Amino acid sequence: KQEVTQIPAALSVPEGENLVLNCSFTDSAIYNLQWFRQDPGKGLTSLLLIQSSQREQTSGRLNASLDKSSGRSTLYIAASQPGDSATYLCAGVDSNYQLIWGAGTKLIIKP
Amino acid sequence: DTAVSQTPKYLVTQMGNDKSIKCEQNLGHDTMYWYKQDSKKFLKIMFSYNNKELIINETVPNRFSPKSPDKAHLNLHINSLELGDSAVYFCASSQLGQVNYGYTFGSGTRLTVV
Repeated sequence: KQEVTQIPAALSVPEGENLVLNCSFTDSAIYNLQWFRQDPGKGLTSLLLIQSSQREQTSGRLNASLDKSSGRSTLYIAASQPGDSATYLCAGVDSNYQLIWGAGTKLIIKP
Repeated sequence: DTAVSQTPKYLVTQMGNDKSIKCEQNLGHDTMYWYKQDSKKFLKIMFSYNNKELIINETVPNRFSPKSPDKAHLNLHINSLELGDSAVYFCASSQLGQVNYGYTFGSGTRLTVV
């Protein structure tokens, strides 16, 4: 059964720093992995989608990587800004086409 | 705008009432979902419909009844609301089998039962 883990559960860094959020999954048989952002009291915004045949995707200051062999995905945020403060969730689509969620990393960027 | 839209955004109601949450997507996806996010922020699948047919029905009280009049709509009706139903409910859509398109989520409905 696929399980997704995100470490750390919370992270606080000064503005301007580069940072990496980690996501690990137990079963390499995933169809894709998606990173989402959730602001307090708000909905889920899709950030990046990496298909199983891809190794990374980039959007602006965000770069997500996928290594199926090691069961890991990372979300790299460059030059962090206070507006990046949110909870970041990763989710993998398993062989039943269901999204399996991590518990999220709460990110705080200090001005 | 292409999106998944759900209404209402906020819903406050008394115990025992019946309420509905509506969801619509204009992305042309064939599969829609309802998720519940509890106080610990975990997202749990409740139901999934593919082309108006129920394909996922997790262990959810039968007070919850989804209805899909067409593949662009998936509504959630809840009977006899209980305090424990308070949560944020998210609607989502995807193109089943086309995993390169990912999932698109609505902005959520925050249900508070008092």
